[in-house]
Amino acid sequence: NAGVMQNPRHLVRRRGQEARLRCSPMKGHSHVYWYRQLPEEGLKFMVYLQKENIIDESGMPKERFSAEFPKEGPSILRIQQVVRGDSAAYFCASSQGATNEKLFFGSGTQLSVL
Amino acid sequence: AQKITQTQPGMFVQEKEAVTLDCTYDTSDPSYGLFWYKQPSSGEMIFLIYQGSYDQQNATEGRYSLNFQKARKSANLVISASQLGDSAMYFCAMREGSRGGATNKLIFGTGTLLAVQP
Repeated sequence: NAGVMQNPRHLVRRRGQEARLRCSPMKGHSHVYWYRQLPEEGLKFMVYLQKENIIDESGMPKERFSAEFPKEGPSILRIQQVVRGDSAAYFCASSQGATNEKLFFGSGTQLSVL
Repeated sequence: AQKITQTQPGMFVQEKEAVTLDCTYDTSDPSYGLFWYKQPSSGEMIFLIYQGSYDQQNATEGRYSLNFQKARKSANLVISASQLGDSAMYFCAMREGSRGGATNKLIFGTGTLLAVQP
């Protein structure tokens, strides 16, 4: 009965490289959310996806960031040409439905940009 | 504008005592949901408790209870009989529109760091 699985747990990139963060939702969950947590802050919503569709990307930076949730496989958050300000913990969460009470989070990916 | 405020950056509590973590919110939507999450030093976000704006009774989950005061727009978390393992960061969060048309797009507060002393 695995929970939300994120990998890698830690990711180190140099400025200008690409970062790919993966998220496998809980079994039976088709709604995925990505959040970002900057140091000393709470989580901030980035994007909400259902299978093959982006529902709400109002929290995504306009450039360099993209997300997908294909029919098969995990959801991917992709950051191109990373900068130091992208260093943060990125959390994925999933729910069974859109209005489900409980949102289950993964353990997060800590991205460090050197 | 939607907002969650946690005014206590840090709290100390003695083991076995109760502690209240404050959370106030601001929303113009009559339908909303309030959450508390625990984030230990290992980093994961652990769901603790949920309160819907139309729920008649305050939510309880084991040692956790939510003191929901709708008129004051507060949703304080009460932890009874604190344990050393309760030491962690605690986040209050809000979801608007919990009845129809809602999503799990949550707004988080800045958190309260709780330290339980033996």
